[in-house]
Amino acid sequence: DIQMTQSPSSVSASIGDRVTITCRASQGISSWLAWYQQKPGKAPKVLIYGASRLQSGVPSRFSGSGSGTDFTLTISSLQPEDFATYYCQQTHSFPSLTFGGGTKVEIK
Amino acid sequence: EVQLVETGGGLIQPGGSLRLSCAASGFTVSRSYMSWVRQVPGKGLEWVSVLYSDENTHYADSVKGRFTISRDNSKNTLYLQMSSLRAEDTAVYFCARVNIGGFGYNCLDYWGQGTLVTVSS
Repeated sequence: DIQMTQSPSSVSASIGDRVTITCRASQGISSWLAWYQQKPGKAPKVLIYGASRLQSGVPSRFSGSGSGTDFTLTISSLQPEDFATYYCQQTHSFPSLTFGGGTKVEIK
Repeated sequence: EVQLVETGGGLIQPGGSLRLSCAASGFTVSRSYMSWVRQVPGKGLEWVSVLYSDENTHYADSVKGRFTISRDNSKNTLYLQMSSLRAEDTAVYFCARVNIGGFGYNCLDYWGQGTLVTVSS
């Protein structure tokens, strides 16, 4: 089974900061990676698929990069509505869809 | 507008059974790949099951043999039949549509609001 490891588990940041979240796969998954945002009490929302492809309607301050085993989600300028938990998910071994443990972005 | 609405959660004793429903609108369930994902309150996300448009099914090892995913085309509704429930099955259960992208760039593009299942005596 492919394991997904996110770091850090939480990050404190201020409005306007650049935030970077890392996701590492236990084996190569090419670009078969998605990123989700989840706010408390809500369902996750897809931000990025195919490692770097922005889902329709998602602000351009979100970007994804990486391939193989190492991936990054970047928020270029943190906005108040971006405080949430972010999850990566591998789709290489579809239909099995493993998620990372999550990264909580908190207000500094 | 695409919408997914889960119902059927509640309190159930260990060893019991429960059926979750996910009513879809704005698209056709039978032409889509559909999935269930669960989340223990305060914890991360865990994929549970997927139903292909051709009715093939797949399950996480943690629920294989106990859970069954299915659909009713006439009701445009997805189901998750859960049996032999354990305390560790306690979670919010989300249904989601699988977007089958080019090059295999799949993702879960629409989600329901979730329904809480609590397994406890």
